[in-house]
Amino acid sequence: AQSVTQPDIHITVSEGASLELRCNYSYGATPYLFWYVQSPGQGLQLLLKYFSGDTLVQGIKGFEAEFKRSQSSFNLRKPSVHWSDAAEYFCALTGGGNKLTFGTGTQLKVEL
Amino acid sequence: DADVTQTPRNRITKTGKRIMLECSQTKGHDRMYWYRQDPGLGLRLIYYSFDVKDINKGEISDGYSVSRQAQAKFSLSLESAIPNQTALYFCATSDPQAGVVNEQFFGPGTRLTVL
Repeated sequence: AQSVTQPDIHITVSEGASLELRCNYSYGATPYLFWYVQSPGQGLQLLLKYFSGDTLVQGIKGFEAEFKRSQSSFNLRKPSVHWSDAAEYFCALTGGGNKLTFGTGTQLKVEL
Repeated sequence: DADVTQTPRNRITKTGKRIMLECSQTKGHDRMYWYRQDPGLGLRLIYYSFDVKDINKGEISDGYSVSRQAQAKFSLSLESAIPNQTALYFCATSDPQAGVVNEQFFGPGTRLTVL
């Protein structure tokens, strides 16, 4: 069975501060990992994805994530958060089939 | 224009009513999916379809049915809506030709409230 855990339900950061959202996964082989963002009233937008190769992946809007096999993690980072980054963030995993398993999400609040 | 559209965007209905949520896509993708999102639970897969003749149950299909009318259209029905089906529903598509791991593209969601 595959699973994704996002330990932080809510995170609040000040604008301009750095951000790290945690994602841990459980899967018996090499996973394919995604981070999606959901802005209020919007659908899910793909921020970045890891399939293979370089374990540090760059995404849109200045986000990056690092795949760490030894820690079963795929944490999302941004050096300087903007107020427009306030949204809900989902980590997701697939083993190469069609089943995309989502974490429960982390709600990001940005204080001005 | 959006590649994946969902209608309606919002719907309030009463217990026992039949409801249909519709999804259309212009991406030309063969694969389509229906998810529901509940606070604190993330997204869970209801049904998915690999093509017009292929329909598969997801992890929470009870109380739902689907119809794949064409490559571009995938509808989700609640035959007799109940309050715990109140949720945000997402349609998604993917293209198996895109590679080993196919990214899913999501519609804007339908917020359904069952009273």
